[in-house]
Amino acid sequence: GQNIDQPTEMTATEGAIVQINCTYQTSGFNGLFWYQQHAGEAPTFLSYNVLDGLEEKGRFSSFLSRSKGYSYLLLKELQMKDSASYLCAVRDPRENYGQNFVFGPGTRLSVLP
Amino acid sequence: ETGVTQTPRHLVMGMTNKKSLKCEQHLGHNAMYWYKQSAKKPLELMFVYSLEERVENNSVPSRFSPECPNSSHLFLHLHTLQPEDSALYLCASSQVLAGLNEQFFGPGTRLTVL
Repeated sequence: GQNIDQPTEMTATEGAIVQINCTYQTSGFNGLFWYQQHAGEAPTFLSYNVLDGLEEKGRFSSFLSRSKGYSYLLLKELQMKDSASYLCAVRDPRENYGQNFVFGPGTRLSVLP
Repeated sequence: ETGVTQTPRHLVMGMTNKKSLKCEQHLGHNAMYWYKQSAKKPLELMFVYSLEERVENNSVPSRFSPECPNSSHLFLHLHTLQPEDSALYLCASSQVLAGLNEQFFGPGTRLTVL
């Protein structure tokens, strides 16, 4: 079966660092994505990992361990505007060009002053 | 502006109505998706059209009927819906066979079924 787990909610302070974890069990794997979704808005792409290791992108970094079925999103120097839901998604290719994305439940992050 | 537009943004319908949701992407992508987002639940992939061919439907009830007339347009036809179908319906597009292939989402249609 397909299963992706994330903490439901997290709270952090402005200027701090927060790590959002994601664990997955899928029948196939061809990349893990992180999206940010502000309340009432569409998800927007943040990062992508397909090989093990850390990908850094400004204040945001994402890590992947395929053997452990584990990823995390690291947010540094938190700002109030980072308050949003963070969605972990795994691409599970079932056909040569078919694209099946499985999303986790999302983690709602609240940044406090 | 994400390059993916959806209309209408809000829709209220009765269980006996027939309505359609429209999605248009201006990014030159070759794959389009319908997702359902309900409160407290993960995004659920409903339909995928890749190269204008449907490749995934995830056992969605037949009261939802997708249509993809070309690579830029996607419709979701609705009929005899149930109150539990009330949700945010998101459209997305991507460029398959292009490595990263991240999805770009539209703003969604907030559907309420009475």
